[in-house]
Amino acid sequence: QQPVQSPQAVILREGEDAVINCSSSKALYSVHWYRQKHGEAPIFLMILLKGGEQKGHDKISASFNEKKQQSSLYLTASQLSYSGTYFCGTENGGNTGNQFYFGTGTSLTVIP
Amino acid sequence: DADVTQTPRNRITKTGKRIMLECSQTKGHDRMYWYRQDPGLGLRLIYYSFDVKDINKGEISDGYSVSRQAQAKFSLSLESAIPNQTALYFCATSDPGSNTDTQYFGPGTRLTVL
Repeated sequence: QQPVQSPQAVILREGEDAVINCSSSKALYSVHWYRQKHGEAPIFLMILLKGGEQKGHDKISASFNEKKQQSSLYLTASQLSYSGTYFCGTENGGNTGNQFYFGTGTSLTVIP
Repeated sequence: DADVTQTPRNRITKTGKRIMLECSQTKGHDRMYWYRQDPGLGLRLIYYSFDVKDINKGEISDGYSVSRQAQAKFSLSLESAIPNQTALYFCATSDPGSNTDTQYFGPGTRLTVL
């Protein structure tokens, strides 16, 4: 039930764009995105709910395709501070006590 | 002050020893979680608790036990530590009053079992 992320790793130059994908084998209620810097705790970026709209935060945005059980995270004009590991987290049943599953992560490195 | 704290932050122990990792939160959240993180495997759920009397196993609970002493405290125990339990452990909380379980993480405990 762990969602699958792709790619596993990506290296970008400053100013380039990237897309990180998250796929689940089960119907999704919500998808969360987190970023983790090396040696630190994951930090919440945004959440997309079933039936909700595409979310954005500065130059990081995400979409949620409920039919395909997929979400994508878009990083536009990447900055050095975007480096880290990105995790998607999925809920299958909303606020019903279902487990929360994290993907295996995508390592993103932005170089000057 | 941090909303979710974990102690200890680092621990080295020997095979067969009993270890307890502690988590405290001041966020007032009912839900608390323990995850372990291994390179390439992401975050995997060990146990979760939706209130003081409700404790549930996650996907990798074997070899671990938990105790929810109060709304604010959730402890993870390794009854007899083994080397493959060497990992980074995170505690997290979430608020059931929101319409979804956004996770707020503690700083992590790095555990090494020799």
